Amino acid sequence: KQEVTQIPAALSVPEGENLVLNCSFTDSAIYNLQWFRQDPGKGLTSLLLIQSSQREQTSGRLNASLDKSSGRSTLYIAASQPGDSATYLCAAPIGAGNMLTFGGGTRLMVKP
Amino acid sequence: GAGVSQSPSNKVTEKGKDVELRCDPISGHTALYWYRQSLGQGLEFLIYFQGNSAPDKSGLPSDRFSAERTGGSVSTLTIQRTQQEDSAVYLCASSPSRGWETQYFGPGTRLLVL
Repeated sequence: KQEVTQIPAALSVPEGENLVLNCSFTDSAIYNLQWFRQDPGKGLTSLLLIQSSQREQTSGRLNASLDKSSGRSTLYIAASQPGDSATYLCAAPIGAGNMLTFGGGTRLMVKP
Repeated sequence: GAGVSQSPSNKVTEKGKDVELRCDPISGHTALYWYRQSLGQGLEFLIYFQGNSAPDKSGLPSDRFSAERTGGSVSTLTIQRTQQEDSAVYLCASSPSRGWETQYFGPGTRLLVL
């Protein structure tokens, strides 16, 4: 059974800081790992998907890494902005159908 | 193009009533997923469709929950005899296939059972 954990549960930083969100998973035999953003009262927006053959993916100020051997992924946000305030979720697939197991999320607040 | 849409966006019902939640996936996406997000349990998988068939229903919490998909497109999640613990946000997602691709989520249906 796959278990996904995210640390910290909440994070508050001043605008402009670089920050790292952590995600760990118990079953290293994953095909990919996906990072999502969720704004209050909204659905999930996909940020980055890292295939198991990749070590990292970048999109703008976001960079996600994947280390299967250690069961860890990190999401790096450069030069944080107040608009980055949201809950960030990582998810690993289980089963042949790619159903996702989610971590509990990290609630990020970037203060102006 | 249009994303995943869900209706209704909010639903308030009385305990014991049946409810139907609808999901319209992105056109052409063969895989469709239902998830539930509640305060106590976080985000959890409910059921997965590939086309019109449901190879995995393992996440459905009880036999009061059922889902169907028709025409390889629209899906309906039905909750019979609703209970207060069914209160949650029900999220639908779709992807082009089951080939380890990005899942695209709808805005969710917020269900409150009084």
